[in-house]
Amino acid sequence: KAGVTQTPRYLIKTRGQQVTLSCSPISGHRSVSWYQQTPGQGLQFLFEYFSETQRNKGNFPGRFSGRQFSNSRSEMNVSTLELGDSALYLCASSPGSPDTQYFGPGTRLTVL
Amino acid sequence: GDSVTQMEGPVTLSEEAFLTINCTYTATGYPSLFWYVQYPGEGLQLLLKATKADDKGSNKGFEATYRKETTSFHLEKGSVQVSDSAVYFCALSEGSGGSNYKLTFGKGTLLTVNP
Repeated sequence: KAGVTQTPRYLIKTRGQQVTLSCSPISGHRSVSWYQQTPGQGLQFLFEYFSETQRNKGNFPGRFSGRQFSNSRSEMNVSTLELGDSALYLCASSPGSPDTQYFGPGTRLTVL
Repeated sequence: GDSVTQMEGPVTLSEEAFLTINCTYTATGYPSLFWYVQYPGEGLQLLLKATKADDKGSNKGFEATYRKETTSFHLEKGSVQVSDSAVYFCALSEGSGGSNYKLTFGKGTLLTVNP
């Protein structure tokens, strides 16, 4: 089975722009979660989707949003980018909930 | 809220040395516990997990036992290899039926194994 895929792998944006990241889960997995990884804050939970519904959200501002499609693929969007949004964004999928999460390689976002 | 505390790194060992990375947790219920590993430039890979007290997770020579009485899940390996060099994360998840289901991670421990 193919693993979790994330596109693009690398992005460079400037402050004030917006960005959309994409995640394709493992086939058959219905739950998709997003995490932000930074050297200072470590790994922090952003949100989780199951069957197109956001079920849980971390402590991030409203500039961070996401959605899930009927085929379980997910996107996250960050509007009005700030320098502090520079991070590795990781997507994880699982068959259901609660269940083990499997991670993709991440998207490295750099905000200049 | 839930939290995970793992030993500060970096940890530097010689090949074939014994490895222990300490991990303790705070949770209100009965969490599942995980160790993930991250190699340079990559995402997280599940190393092992345990879902209830006294369970032992094991994989690739690594082991960890879920100790409810000490709220710990220490990672051990009897003989490390250069290829084990990576960052190791302890994590917990809590919740059922999708409510409050998320992973809470420790800060990570960088392991370097020298030949």
